[in-house]
Amino acid sequence: SYELTQPPSVSVSPGQTARITCSGDALPKQYAYWYQQKPGQAPVLVIYKDSERPSGIPERFSGSSSGTTVTLTISGVQAEDEADYYCQSADSSGTYVFGGGTKLTVL
Amino acid sequence: EVQLVQSGAEVKKPGESLKISCKGSGYSFTSYWIGWVRQMPGKGLEWMGIIYPGDSDTRYSPSFQGQVTISADKSISTAYLQWSSLKASDTAMYYCARDQSLVPAALDAFDIWGQGTMVTVSS
Repeated sequence: SYELTQPPSVSVSPGQTARITCSGDALPKQYAYWYQQKPGQAPVLVIYKDSERPSGIPERFSGSSSGTTVTLTISGVQAEDEADYYCQSADSSGTYVFGGGTKLTVL
Repeated sequence: EVQLVQSGAEVKKPGESLKISCKGSGYSFTSYWIGWVRQMPGKGLEWMGIIYPGDSDTRYSPSFQGQVTISADKSISTAYLQWSSLKASDTAMYYCARDQSLVPAALDAFDIWGQGTMVTVSS
């Protein structure tokens, strides 16, 4: 079955830049989406179609794509950005999968 | 306000059946796909499947095909996730979410999420 691979954890200091990667063989042909989930809360969409930002999401969140890897970048990380982040994309059968998730720790 | 409101927490025994719901409001329910996502305790998100209430077109993840049934009643703007025989391993939080695509043939991101329904299966 299709898999999206994320690092289990990323740590950054406040004000620094956090980069969370997601790798998958179909990513050159399929859009990727990113969600933020804080403890006890439902996920929130932060990036769609690789690099589009929904209304209400701070500009410090951005997305990019290169080959089989997509990247969520959080510039000027704030304490409130500490959360789990998940990528999502489609496989060849037209169904979707999530990556395993990355825990972002703000030191 | 666009929102999805899910039914309340459930505690069931192995072998029992269950149907949980997700009611949409504030938008045209028949024009957007509704998906279901599982999150087992302390684990990540898993995409289970999705339904287009306009014509009940349904797609399942291979991991969940045959294990659950997704349905919708467009007359009451409600989607459902059901099990015929629960297992302890079905214990999880289940989220419904709206796919933001307005093109029935294409899926996009989940832009609106329900609050989640916790299902506990224990003897």
